[in-house]
Amino acid sequence: AQSVTQLDSQVPVFEEAPVELRCNYSSSVSVYLFWYVQYPNQGLQLLLKYLSGSTLVKGINGFEAEFNKSQTSFHLRKPSVHISDTAEYFCAVKGNFGNEKLTFGTGTRLTIIP
Amino acid sequence: EPEVTQTPSHQVTQMGQEVILRCVPISNHLYFYWYRQILGQKVEFLVSFYNNEISEKSEIFDDQFSVERPDGSNFTLKIRSTKLEDSAMYFCAVGAEVNQPQHFGDGTRLSIL
Repeated sequence: AQSVTQLDSQVPVFEEAPVELRCNYSSSVSVYLFWYVQYPNQGLQLLLKYLSGSTLVKGINGFEAEFNKSQTSFHLRKPSVHISDTAEYFCAVKGNFGNEKLTFGTGTRLTIIP
Repeated sequence: EPEVTQTPSHQVTQMGQEVILRCVPISNHLYFYWYRQILGQKVEFLVSFYNNEISEKSEIFDDQFSVERPDGSNFTLKIRSTKLEDSAMYFCAVGAEVNQPQHFGDGTRLSIL
């Protein structure tokens, strides 16, 4: 079984400032890792994924994340945020074998301050 | 084009009534999932479906819930006798391969009165 911890429930950031949203996971098996974004009144959109290979993965809208196996982390970063990045961000994990379900964190609400 | 379309977008139902939520994926997906998100809480797994049978279900997915692909295209979630605590956003997700991401629909907001 897997679990995901997103310690920051809310993160306010000034426009054009950098941001990091933290995600730590726990698993007894190797995993795939994902970040999803949920804009107000919308569904979940895949932001980026780590399946294998390079530990630094780039996603849509200028976001990137780094997989750190020793620290069991997958933090999301963006060097300069925009008003349109205001949304809820969910980190998710699944085992890398079989038809595994996604296990989500509790989400981080990113608010961009003009 | 979205990977999956969900209908209806909002469903209001009296407690004790049956509801059916529908999901229409594009054709090349093999793996199907339902998740739910109670207001203000995290997204929770309900059930996964592959090769016309349930692969895994959570403890939330009790005897009141069922899933099927009646015509090989639509993927439905039925709640037989709804309870107030079933009020949530229900998301359908699809995947083409086990090692690929799941793609989510926009969800159905279910409100039980």
